[in-house]
Amino acid sequence: DGGITQSPKYLFRKEGQNVTLSCEQNLNHDAMYWYRQDPGQGLRLIYYSQIVNDFQKGDIAEGYSVSREKKESFPLTVTSAQKNPTAFYLCASSIVAGGAEAFFGQGTRLTVV
Amino acid sequence: AQSVTQPDIHITVSEGASLELRCNYSYGATPYLFWYVQSPGQGLQLLLKYFSGDTLVQGIKGFEAEFKRSQSSFNLRKPSVHWSDAAEYFCAVGDLSDTGGFKTIFGAGTRLFVKA
Repeated sequence: DGGITQSPKYLFRKEGQNVTLSCEQNLNHDAMYWYRQDPGQGLRLIYYSQIVNDFQKGDIAEGYSVSREKKESFPLTVTSAQKNPTAFYLCASSIVAGGAEAFFGQGTRLTVV
Repeated sequence: AQSVTQPDIHITVSEGASLELRCNYSYGATPYLFWYVQSPGQGLQLLLKYFSGDTLVQGIKGFEAEFKRSQSSFNLRKPSVHWSDAAEYFCAVGDLSDTGGFKTIFGAGTRLFVKA
């Protein structure tokens, strides 16, 4: 079945450590996105990519980094510079077109202790 | 900047009652508008979308939404709510980025509780 796979579902890290969240899609979509979700704040865009080897900062990119070496993969690294990394992270993909539907993964809940 | 406002943080309705979730947007041109639903701990699923044409759009699971340009609104409705509709609902607007790409801006969400 086509879809987006995020792993792991739950992730625990110590403060000060970098951590990488995985996102893989087999929908043949060119665009991929990372969102952060906190209670009462909806989804905030961290980074997005419209094509391989290119990506743009979203609204809250500070403390995060991404790469897009393959069309299918868009990993997100939460660095030690991110002041409040504990959150629910959602990856999405879509075709590159105005008004395209975004398809979402099941999310990764990151807890930093 | 484009924005989406969902005035209600949470709403409680009785099973079988009608539902309306409010959404207001800020956008200069005719927007691309979406409603997504999220069950706890899960990703989002598209309910419906509006681009142009008929201002009343039908979606999955018996939901519909009406685009009203004069009110900058895109409210979601369902005539009879089922217990399984309890979830969080997000209104969203599609926006062109500075680099010419496309991104989606989400509202803060409305959590729906359904009582028996």
